[in-house]
Amino acid sequence: KAGVTQTPRYLIKTRGQQVTLSCSPISGHRSVSWYQQTPGQGLQFLFEYFSETQRNKGNFPGRFSGRQFSNSRSEMNVSTLELGDSALYLCASSLAYSTDTQYFGPGTRLTVL
Amino acid sequence: GESVGLHLPTLSVQEGDNSIINCAYSNSASDYFIWYKQESGKGPQFIIDIRSNMDKRQGQRVTVLLNKTVKHLSLQIAATQPGDSAVYFCAENNAPTGANSKLTFGKGITLSVRP
Repeated sequence: KAGVTQTPRYLIKTRGQQVTLSCSPISGHRSVSWYQQTPGQGLQFLFEYFSETQRNKGNFPGRFSGRQFSNSRSEMNVSTLELGDSALYLCASSLAYSTDTQYFGPGTRLTVL
Repeated sequence: GESVGLHLPTLSVQEGDNSIINCAYSNSASDYFIWYKQESGKGPQFIIDIRSNMDKRQGQRVTVLLNKTVKHLSLQIAATQPGDSAVYFCAENNAPTGANSKLTFGKGITLSVRP
């Protein structure tokens, strides 16, 4: 069974631009969570989607948004990029519930110049 | 959970020795805990998990111990190998009621295996 895939793997953007990242969960998984990883803050939860609905949200500004499609694939968008948004963005999928194991993708490395 | 600082603590062990990685979690209501391993350039990889109704769980070469009294989690790796070198994170699911999935990660610890 294929793992979680994320595209693109690397992105370079400039301040003020917006970016969309994509995540395809493991087949059969319906929950998709997004995390931001930086050297200073570590791994931080962004949001979680299940059945096309945002089910939980972390403490990030409204510039960070996401959505989930009927096939469970998910995208996250960051608008008006700031230098501090440079990070590794990780997507994790799980079957359905909070106590199901979450499996991570390789991440998208975003650099904001 | 706590954020990872610029300088992660490092555990250096000799190849073949046993490793013990410790983690303190924050929420006494958390009922599910996971250990992840992250190698350079990769996403976190699931190692082993444990639910709060257990105090020990064993996998292949790994054992997780949970002490709810002091909110402490540990990962034991038997016969540590060079391939075990990575950053290790503990995570707690602190949304035990309902279906909200939210992992809070502890500070990462770098495991370095000496040949």
